[in-house]
Amino acid sequence: GDSVTQTEGQVALSEEDFLTIHCNYSASGYPTLFWYVQYPGEGPQLLFRASRDKEKGSSRGFEATYDKGTTSFHLRKASVQESDSAVYYCALSHRNTGNYKYVFGAGTRLKVIA
Amino acid sequence: DPKIIQKPKYLVAVTGSEKILICEQYLGHNAMYWYRQSAKKPLEFMFSYSYQKLMDNQTASSRFQPQSSKKNHLDLQITALKPDDSATYFCASSQVGTGDYEQYFGPGTRLTVL
Repeated sequence: GDSVTQTEGQVALSEEDFLTIHCNYSASGYPTLFWYVQYPGEGPQLLFRASRDKEKGSSRGFEATYDKGTTSFHLRKASVQESDSAVYYCALSHRNTGNYKYVFGAGTRLKVIA
Repeated sequence: DPKIIQKPKYLVAVTGSEKILICEQYLGHNAMYWYRQSAKKPLEFMFSYSYQKLMDNQTASSRFQPQSSKKNHLDLQITALKPDDSATYFCASSQVGTGDYEQYFGPGTRLTVL
């Protein structure tokens, strides 16, 4: 079945550091890939998505590029802020009619120290 | 205005009892979902429903029963509660079939089973 692997369970950075959170997926065809962010006490919310090979998704300074060759969708941000502290989830879904399943990675907890 | 309402926000139950978690979405979506989030499994897919029909069930236990009385409602009945059921339960919705299918999550119901 489909799966999403996030390498880092926790990441601790200082403000203005560069962020990379690795996401690799295993799925047939061309799933749509997502990054979600979850702040304490809230449900996950969509950061951005990408649906095609080489498509870049971005929002709030975060970005990731769909790479079918390496089956990856790594999250990056050039300069993190304390307010970016949250849990980040990589996820995938298929567009096929009838497939309503979304697969989430285990999540990466980001802590940014001022 | 909240687009996905979950009630209650916090719930405390005793082992062996039964509880119903309420979810209503006002996004006009045609699919709804339940997820569970605990320390052991960060974001675990449970069910998906579309037009009040069960589409996918990844929950092994029959103690968890979704109930859909209206298209925009998907409640979760949990019977014979166990301490291991303690978790935050998130309801989500999406529009499947039109291309705009990212999931929108509610604020969650935190369940504690004593």
